[in-house]
Amino acid sequence: QVQLVESGGGVVQPGRSLRLSCAASRFTFSNYGMHWVRQAPGKGLEWVALIWYDGSSRYYADSVKGRFTISRDNSKNTLYLQMNSLRAEDTAVYYCARGTPSDYWGQGTLVTVSS
Amino acid sequence: EIVLTQSPGTLSLSPGEKATLSCRASQSVDSSYLAWYQQKPGQAPRLLIYGASSRATGIPDRLSGSGSGTDFTLTVSRLEPEDFAVYYCQYYGDSPYTFGRGTKLEIK
Repeated sequence: QVQLVESGGGVVQPGRSLRLSCAASRFTFSNYGMHWVRQAPGKGLEWVALIWYDGSSRYYADSVKGRFTISRDNSKNTLYLQMNSLRAEDTAVYYCARGTPSDYWGQGTLVTVSS
Repeated sequence: EIVLTQSPGTLSLSPGEKATLSCRASQSVDSSYLAWYQQKPGQAPRLLIYGASSRATGIPDRLSGSGSGTDFTLTVSRLEPEDFAVYYCQYYGDSPYTFGRGTKLEIK
């Protein structure tokens, strides 16, 4: 069974940085584009970023463009989200998801931006 | 940017009834890139429908998707207890891969 496990969430002060990881297993990671999707407490889903299977293209939501960077290491079967200049409105559960449309999702990692 | 408007915001029905959920796009879209997801409290979303009408693996045939252009529908023919959840549509034809704001399907 496909497995996606996010890590790296926590409490961080506004303006600081955080890097999320998503460890993938039980499928050929290098064959799939990968997304980050977030969900603020009690709110709906917000797409954050996409990286192609080989890392050659990346796309971002306007709300994170210039602050967040999606990347991947296919040799480690791992997806990353580098989050800089964090704001209170970035507080959310962050999910990694496989493919477009996304047929497998991790369980999410909570990021709380608060002073 | 495509904006997806889902209605109603909340739908209250009883088990055994039929549910009809709507997703309207702000401009005509290619139905090949319209998906529906289900999310239960404390869980990750689950892909139900892709390409507007194709069921994902393991999705029962009481769930069906339809539509084209700007208007799309998710239908649950006979509600089971496990169907009560929040449903999101998504357009994945181009960035940004927007989600609708969701429809909460609750037990009446």
